Amino acid sequence: DSGVTQTPKHLITATGQRVTLRCSPRSGDLSVYWYQQSLDQGLQFLIQYYNGEERAKGNILERFSAQQFPDLHSELNLSSLELGDSALYFCASSVALAGLGTGELFFGEGSRLTVL
Amino acid sequence: GQSLEQPSEVTAVEGAIVQINCTYQTSGFYGLSWYQQHDGGAPTFLSYNGLDGLEETGRFSSFLSRSDSYGYLLLQELQMKDSASYFCAVRADRGSTLGRLYFGRGTQLTVWP
Repeated sequence: DSGVTQTPKHLITATGQRVTLRCSPRSGDLSVYWYQQSLDQGLQFLIQYYNGEERAKGNILERFSAQQFPDLHSELNLSSLELGDSALYFCASSVALAGLGTGELFFGEGSRLTVL
Repeated sequence: GQSLEQPSEVTAVEGAIVQINCTYQTSGFYGLSWYQQHDGGAPTFLSYNGLDGLEETGRFSSFLSRSDSYGYLLLQELQMKDSASYFCAVRADRGSTLGRLYFGRGTQLTVWP
């Protein structure tokens, strides 16, 4: 158990719909990262937050948005869903801005989104 | 852009040694990490190389050559439970975005009895 909690674990929805994925980082971790993993794909970096502020953006679609709240939990909002958005969405956290020293991220178990 | 290349599959038998290579092309470089993922579960951190050379952690070792933009993960005394996907990841950004890791597509390791 990494200490990172993601909900829901599974989600099935239809095209055009909107969903919200939630992540609670490890206690004390200030940085939250979101990754997307499609079938047989690596982990694609979406976005990073540090202490409530957006720090880095990857290949995140305009239909997707995220935020980190004062209690440090984060939400990833996916809207106007398409079939191709079906994937595992992982949240990860690290202590410092960079997780410097070991480059270690702690990943949650992921939210599996299926768009029908 | 960022590019990481690693083999898609590797197979080996129990007790053997296997090496998973990773070559990268990134605009910046702060270190190479390795992660293990079982059957779509949470990726877990294995090792990190910030400087050239070999890092050893139990049965796993990782190597980095920054001049060659190359690293590898060495798994010794393979066990069935080592069957998993292994990802290399580069921290390639400076300044406030140091936390971004770029991952390779992963190497599926199958260990046979």
